[in-house]
This record gives sequence, structure tokens and C-alpha cells, in this order.
Amino acid sequence: GQQLNQSPQSMFIQEGEDVSMNCTSSSIFNTWLWYKQDPGEGPVLLIALYKAGELTSNGRLTAQFGITRKDSFLNISASIPSDVGIYFCAGHPYGQNFVFGPGTRLSVLP
Amino acid sequence: GAGVSQSPSNKVTEKGKDVELRCDPISGHTALYWYRQSLGQGLEFLIYFQGNSAPDKSGLPSDRFSAERTGGSVSTLTIQRTQQEDSAVYLCASSLATGGVYGYTFGSGTRLTVV
Repeated sequence: GQQLNQSPQSMFIQEGEDVSMNCTSSSIFNTWLWYKQDPGEGPVLLIALYKAGELTSNGRLTAQFGITRKDSFLNISASIPSDVGIYFCAGHPYGQNFVFGPGTRLSVLP
Repeated sequence: GAGVSQSPSNKVTEKGKDVELRCDPISGHTALYWYRQSLGQGLEFLIYFQGNSAPDKSGLPSDRFSAERTGGSVSTLTIQRTQQEDSAVYLCASSLATGGVYGYTFGSGTRLTVV
């Protein structure tokens, strides 16, 4: 089946630093979503991308739908302690359910 | 309701016992999904319901796992003869149709511990 790869698997950063993570696939997707999961909670949708090349921001978060439609990127600027959590990407192949990546675990050091 | 509601939020059970986990999706969402998340891991798809269609059970790990969705709304995930490896967080999500545009809305999960 289709699989998504996320990198890095985990990262430790200092508060105030910028963060970059990505999601790649061997398949083409029509929609990319980025979710964040806080400890003890379910994932919450952060950003949705619907068009190749699309760049969308949500506060300090910016995500891009890759031109090849096989990848997506998420950037977080000026990280703060509450950014800690697991970030999941999800890709939507046409006519099928979303496929989720394994997640990037972010830790922010004060 | 306003969000996806799951109950119980935590469940501790003895090995060999059966457990039932409940999911109440967002009103009007026709699609409902169950995922399992082991400690520190990603989301493992279990089962998908869409309207009145036959559910997609392709992710259920064994015949000890089953799920039903009554009246197109509330869903129950049942695990029979629980094993320690069943310990995980069980997440439910719902969406409009196949969630092609809006994605899934997740509940907070049920943390199952089998002792």
C-alpha cells in the first residue's frame, strides 16, 4: 500500500529556533494535511493543502504542497514550548482514504 | 456534538477480558475511522465505516477485534480476550464523506492498558 515517510523522526530544538520537517511519498496525492498531536490528546488539524505548489500559513506555521505532488513541507518559526508534540502529515490519494505518516516528534528546550 | 467524543478516556483491564470502546462522531459526519496508536508510534488504521456501505475491515489485526456502527452514528470497537500487546491508545475520527477536502476530526482517544 501507499506509505508516507516523515523526516526527521524526532528533533530537539531550542526555544526561538525555526523548525523544518517534511513528508515524502512515492505516490501522487491530491491533498496534504498536517496534524499536531499534543501529549494525551488526539491529532488536531493544523493546515490543509489542495494544490501543487500551494503555500499556506497558519500563524507561525507555514506548509507547502510540493510541485511533484509527492511531498509536503512544514515550517514552524520562532518555536515556543507549546509547539512540543508529534506532527503528522497525511496524504489523500484520489478516491481513497487519507494515508498518515509515522510522525515527527518535536521537543523544545527552554 | 461539537467534536468527536470517545469513552472511556482510560481503561485498565485484565488479560483475557473483553473490552468495548465507544465513539460518538460529529453529527452529520458519514465517515468514521478507528486507529490504534502504540506508545511513541504512528497511527495504525483499523477499520472504516462510510454510510450504509460495508465497512473496510482491512486493518483489524486479528479476529479478536470487531467494530460496529449503529444507525450510522455511534460506533463501538470490541476487543475480545485482550492481550498485553493490545495496550495502546485507540483513536476514533470522523469526516464528511471520504474527508477529501476537510480531513478527519479526531477524538481524544481511549488509553487501554491490559495487565
